[in-house]
Amino acid sequence: EPEVTQTPSHQVTQMGQEVILRCVPISNHLYFYWYRQILGQKVEFLVSFYNNEISEKSEIFDDQFSVERPDGSNFTLKIRSTKLEDSAMYFCATEDWTDEKLFFGSGTQLSVL
Amino acid sequence: SQQGEEDPQALSIQEGENATMNCSYKTSINNLQWYRQNSGRGLVHLILIRSNEREKHSGRLRVTLDTSKKSSSLLITASRAADTASYFCATTIIQGAQKLVFGQGTRLTINP
Repeated sequence: EPEVTQTPSHQVTQMGQEVILRCVPISNHLYFYWYRQILGQKVEFLVSFYNNEISEKSEIFDDQFSVERPDGSNFTLKIRSTKLEDSAMYFCATEDWTDEKLFFGSGTQLSVL
Repeated sequence: SQQGEEDPQALSIQEGENATMNCSYKTSINNLQWYRQNSGRGLVHLILIRSNEREKHSGRLRVTLDTSKKSSSLLITASRAADTASYFCATTIIQGAQKLVFGQGTRLTINP
């Protein structure tokens, strides 16, 4: 079965540093999402992306966050200046246009020290 | 805000028993989905039920939807130890973006 691939699986960074989380979507999928989950809490929507632009973003997705699809395959989430409270598991999810279910990657565990 | 709330937050049962989890939401929806998450892993889609459907089955899973009460339930029959996971309901709203809004989840433990 096709998979969403996320790298790295773990990322440790110092507060104030930039991080880039990467995702390779399923090849024929058109809708891309980033979610995050703080340990033991619910899965929170960050941003949706379609046709090379942001469709919707949450309050969490402030100016420190950005997304892009730099090469037509990878889908990245950048956090410019990380904060302690950015520590969470970040999930990429993708969806094709015929089916409303999301396919999730295994996540990147981000730890900000 | 429109949001799923699962009940109970945690459920522990013996293998072979049935497990029922409930979800409530606040605003009108297009569909409601259930996902499963094994510890430290991504979410896996289990089943989708549309707003005009009342019940849906998939293997040992049975989902019901009551739009008048804005609630859904997920029943897992004949539970197995491998069903141990967290289960989340998620909704897409009418006239909204494609995003799914997830609830808090129910942590299900199946004891052998």
